Amino acid sequence: GNSVTQMEGPVTLSEEAFLTINCTYTATGYPSLFWYVQYPGEGLQLLLKATKADDKGSNKGFEATYRKETTSFHLEKGSVQVSDSAVYFCALITSNYKLTFGKGTLLTVNP
Amino acid sequence: DTGVSQNPRHKITKRGQNVTFRCDPISEHNRLYWYRQTLGQGPEFLTYFQNEAQLEKSRLLSDRFSAERPKGSFSTLEIQRTEQGDSAMYLCASSSPGQVYSGANVLTFGAGSRLTVL
Repeated sequence: GNSVTQMEGPVTLSEEAFLTINCTYTATGYPSLFWYVQYPGEGLQLLLKATKADDKGSNKGFEATYRKETTSFHLEKGSVQVSDSAVYFCALITSNYKLTFGKGTLLTVNP
Repeated sequence: DTGVSQNPRHKITKRGQNVTFRCDPISEHNRLYWYRQTLGQGPEFLTYFQNEAQLEKSRLLSDRFSAERPKGSFSTLEIQRTEQGDSAMYLCASSSPGQVYSGANVLTFGAGSRLTVL
């Protein structure tokens, strides 16, 4: 079956620090990969996606590259802001129409 | 369009009572999903509709749970004889027609309905 493993949090950084949140996956077939973000009190929002190997998804300064050889989709940002504080979920979908999520990583950015 | 709407946002109930949650998807979306999220975990798939047809149900969806989408628009999720283990955030999502695995469409989530069973 499909599964997603994220690095465990919480992650606490100072403003302008570099962020990496690791994500690896196992999947049958060829998945599309996603990062979703959940801000406090809000629903899940799509942050970025990649649909095939070597694709790079990017949005709001965040980036992740679909690495088939390492089955990874690590999230990075060069300079985090306080407003980036949220829970980040790595997820995948295959032809079965179901998103499979990781457990989430809580990021706190201090001024 | 205001996105995916879920009601109520919060529900506190006593063990053994029945509860119902409603989801109004984005109007042009034909697929509708229910997920459950417990504290510290990622969302877990419960069930999925394409139009009014319920195409798949997770084994997490015991016989106390029932979901409907009678006219292919809004959906309801009912939990009968609630148990404390049912306490969670229930998330609804919708997506447009197309090939999901290609990433051509994306699940848009509502803010969720939080259930607390005392």
